[in-house]
Amino acid sequence: DAKTTQPPSMDCAEGRAANLPCNHSTISGNEYVYWYRQIHSQGPQYIIHGLKNNETNEMASLIITEDRKSSTLILPHATLRDTAVYYCIVRVMGAGDSGGYQKVTFGTGTKLQVIP
Amino acid sequence: EPEVTQTPSHQVTQMGQEVILRCVPISNHLYFYWYRQILGQKVEFLVSFYNNEISEKSEIFDDQFSVERPDGSNFTLKIRSTKLEDSAMYFCASSIVGHTEAFFGQGTRLTVV
Repeated sequence: DAKTTQPPSMDCAEGRAANLPCNHSTISGNEYVYWYRQIHSQGPQYIIHGLKNNETNEMASLIITEDRKSSTLILPHATLRDTAVYYCIVRVMGAGDSGGYQKVTFGTGTKLQVIP
Repeated sequence: EPEVTQTPSHQVTQMGQEVILRCVPISNHLYFYWYRQILGQKVEFLVSFYNNEISEKSEIFDDQFSVERPDGSNFTLKIRSTKLEDSAMYFCASSIVGHTEAFFGQGTRLTVV
């Protein structure tokens, strides 16, 4: 899996958009960008993933640059409940000898603090 | 919304004792995983399980660890002889064939004293 680089921490005012950057300059053509988050001591939570097109769901938007070497996760209206560690992970979808095991390798992520 | 459930939420055990951590994955999922997180550290992969066998395991998952799917709904992690350094949050996760996101449970906090 390709390595990712994220800032260790960020602050965001409540109600404003939170933009979390991720660099993955060594990403290969068949690797997807995934985002997970972990609210304090809870289980990690899947947010969104994409290959090269921008993606949006009910939680967030994912913007991937044209060269795919970086991406940004956008939480459009951050709330206090969005305070968490956000992990950017790059990996192949559905790889593995067993026909699709999907291990997730977590780094240290970005600790997002939403401020009232 | 379907979810992965783990029991117990907190387990305290004496060093050297066996523990079994239990998980009920989402019902139509076929891939199952255990991860752990030592306090203040990263979430670490332990093992993945598919078609009633281990598909991958990390170097952490030594002979003291085992996994089992004893029936159609439960997925368990057994630690045969616990050590102090096994104290951690243990997360179970599951995913469906062809999908990419893994759904995690809320974890079991294991404290070895």
